[in-house]
Amino acid sequence: GAVVSQHPSWVICKSGTSVKIECRSLDFQATTMFWYRQFPKQSLMLMATSNEGSKATYEQGVEKDKFLINHASLTLSTLTVTSAHPEDSSFYICSARLRQGGTDTQYFGPGTRLTVL
Amino acid sequence: DQQVKQNSPSLSVQEGRISILNCDYTNSMFDYFLWYKKYPAEGPTFLISISSIKDKNEDGRFTVFLNKSAKHLSLHIVPSQPGDSAVYFCAASDLSGNTPLVFGKGTRLSVIA
Repeated sequence: GAVVSQHPSWVICKSGTSVKIECRSLDFQATTMFWYRQFPKQSLMLMATSNEGSKATYEQGVEKDKFLINHASLTLSTLTVTSAHPEDSSFYICSARLRQGGTDTQYFGPGTRLTVL
Repeated sequence: DQQVKQNSPSLSVQEGRISILNCDYTNSMFDYFLWYKKYPAEGPTFLISISSIKDKNEDGRFTVFLNKSAKHLSLHIVPSQPGDSAVYFCAASDLSGNTPLVFGKGTRLSVIA
């Protein structure tokens, strides 16, 4: 099956610093990747759609200047949490879209646990 | 406005029996549906999908049924195994691929040995 990796798997940082999370599709090319956030015992919340070679599309309520997304290649998207604060602590998950046989399936990375002190 | 609803937050089933997880949707533009399984602190794992031209899709122990007129789908797991204990998310999209997946809130399945 299609494999998506994320790095790092967990990170602890001080308030005010920036953190970059990488999402890679390992065995397929993905023109579209997605970034989600999950709070404890809640569903996945879509933050933004990352398109290779163009600007990301952010969901309502997500600050684009705070959550910088760069989709530099067909296999890599990065999410940078700028000036992180404790309320940004969460589980961030990316997914990559694979189109096969006329249907799209999203394959998810393992997630990144961010803790901001 | 929740477009994809999983009304049962949790479900307990005995090992070997059938698990039935339900999902309802409101947007008639959805024509592609997926089920994901998620363990704590991990990303969701794709399980099975179905497009609106079908009413059933089967893969091993997993079968998804789609009732378009009722805007309802269900995931059947039979026989259920303890390793199936996880949170299951229903997701919906359209076949154009231009819209992101819309997820339900998930159902926590516990399979009791």
